[in-house]
Amino acid sequence: AQSVTQLDSQVPVFEEAPVELRCNYSSSVSVYLFWYVQYPNQGLQLLLKYLSGSTLVKGINGFEAEFNKSQTSFHLRKPSVHISDTAEYFCAVSDPNTGNQFYFGTGTSLTVIP
Amino acid sequence: ETGVTQTPRHLVMGMTNKKSLKCEQHLGHNAMYWYKQSAKKPLELMFVYSLEERVENNSVPSRFSPECPNSSHLFLHLHTLQPEDSALYLCASSLNTGGEETQYFGPGTRLLVL
Repeated sequence: AQSVTQLDSQVPVFEEAPVELRCNYSSSVSVYLFWYVQYPNQGLQLLLKYLSGSTLVKGINGFEAEFNKSQTSFHLRKPSVHISDTAEYFCAVSDPNTGNQFYFGTGTSLTVIP
Repeated sequence: ETGVTQTPRHLVMGMTNKKSLKCEQHLGHNAMYWYKQSAKKPLELMFVYSLEERVENNSVPSRFSPECPNSSHLFLHLHTLQPEDSALYLCASSLNTGGEETQYFGPGTRLLVL
């Protein structure tokens, strides 16, 4: 089974500063990779996903992530954060060979400070 | 209504009660999921339904009983729960099962077991 590690449980950052949220997964075999965001009192919504092709993936709200197979990482970045980006961010992995299983990290709480 | 809805949003129950959580999706999807979200833990996939057939049951205790009467509705029947079952229960749907599919989440039911 896969495992997903989000090393940073909380990330405070000042408004308009850049941010990187880290995600590492356990297996080096082919995977699909996702970042979801959860705003307070809401369900998760997709920010972006990597299925194949270009390793740099662009998502909604100015976020992007880079797939690095050798380091089994899929870090999320944004060059300039806004107050509205304050939320919980989850990295997830699925195995193309066992499509029903999704593995989530423990989440990173991003707090944008005015 | 659009998207994925869940009722109730909050539920408090004793260990001897029986209650049900309801999920409805208005997206025309064929797959539906139940997840358990506990603080500081990864989201735990509980059940997966595809075209009303259960395709995954991730070693969930029998005190949780899912039901999918049609592709738009999903229930989670609860009985004789334990305090450690207190958590946020999220429902999700996707067009089909398959690791590449984006999942669309409801806002969740916050469950407290006394």
